[in-house]
Formats: sequence, structure tokens, C-alpha cells
Amino acid sequence: SQQGEEDPQALSIQEGENATMNCSYKTSINNLQWYRQNSGRGLVHLILIRSNEREKHSGRLRVTLDTSKKSSSLLITASRAADTASYFCATDDNAGNMLTFGGGTRLMVKP
Amino acid sequence: SQTIHQWPATLVQPVGSPLSLECTVEGTSNPNLYWYRQAAGRGLQLLFYSVGIGQISSEVPQNLSASRPQDRQFILSSKKLLLSDSGFYLCAWSPRLASTDTQYFGPGTRLTVL
Repeated sequence: SQQGEEDPQALSIQEGENATMNCSYKTSINNLQWYRQNSGRGLVHLILIRSNEREKHSGRLRVTLDTSKKSSSLLITASRAADTASYFCATDDNAGNMLTFGGGTRLMVKP
Repeated sequence: SQTIHQWPATLVQPVGSPLSLECTVEGTSNPNLYWYRQAAGRGLQLLFYSVGIGQISSEVPQNLSASRPQDRQFILSSKKLLLSDSGFYLCAWSPRLASTDTQYFGPGTRLTVL
């Protein structure tokens, strides 16, 4: 069963705007990861946030985690056309071994 | 540095035909290996994972099978393809079987079953 669910399913913005994608999950987690996938390519890891962390930054990326609401958000600031891709959250299983990926958010950044 | 290869990149096969997709990893030893399937516009479904040579765990019952004949080689097979087997197949590796590890993905194989 799918643990993480991204929202929205699709997002279209203009270059320079910020893009926010959300991920909700059902059961408690040890950590949550975000990945990016360019069309027709493999996934690339962006960032990992642990259950005891609330916020993490990497360049133009900001990830937050609210374990009480069982949700995470990925913010891309000052978006660029090259940020156009699908973004997936991945959560761990109860044993903390395997990852379960959500359905993804398709982001389009218009130049 | 580590690299992961998949081939073929694209494949069109008739229903009922066999399938063999190959994945190889370079630059690391004893990786954990994964096969995922992605339907169009959807998330990833874990099909198989392997922690070592000859050790395969299946996550979803189906007409696909996996094998790991060598440490850095992972093969996805089918004896008879179904229409529902169409999709984008991704191989990935991680250093350990732990959700805190990053998974590194190959470029994928686009399979169309007609």
C-alpha cells in the first residue's frame, strides 16, 4: 500500500516563483526522503529528513516535517525552468528498511 | 565513483513473449539491489530486492521473477509477458538495507507489451 501521497498531483508556475509540494503519510516513520525524476529518467535523491528534525535546507530546497500531522513539504525557491520534473516523497516501512514512494507531484516551471 | 546501468533503454514485446532486463552496478561491492515498476504518471512499485547473490525477496506476486547471479548484476525476467506488464522499470542500489540510505537509480527501461 502507498504510504506517502503527494499534493498537488500537478503544479504549474512561472520561473522565479516558489513551488511548494506536500506529502502526507499514514503511519509513523523514522525518516522521509524526497526524490526528483526528470521525464523518462531515473530518480535522483534530493534530501533526507529524520523524524526528530523539523526543517532541513539544501541550496534552494527547504524541507519541513510535521510528525504530529504526518506530513512533509518540499519548497523550491526562485524556481527555474530546469526544475521542471516530478517530485516524490519516500517513507520507510515499520522495520525501517524499505522505502515506499508516493505518486509524485509533476512540476512545470514556465520560462 | 559508483554507476548503475540498465539495458535495454526501450523494449517493445508481444504478449506471451519472454523478458529479460539487466541491471549492473559498478564501483561498489555487495550493494542492495531493487527492481521497481512505474506506471505512466504514477509512483514506484517495489517488485523485488536483493541483499546478496542468490537472495531475492518478492514484494508483489506476479508473473515476473528476479535473479542475482553475480554480486553487481540484477536481472528481471518473465516467461510470458502480459499487457499489464507494460511500464517503466527502474533498477536501484543502496549501500545497506536501511531506509536512511539513499537509493541510486538507473536510467530505466521503457517496456511496451502489445
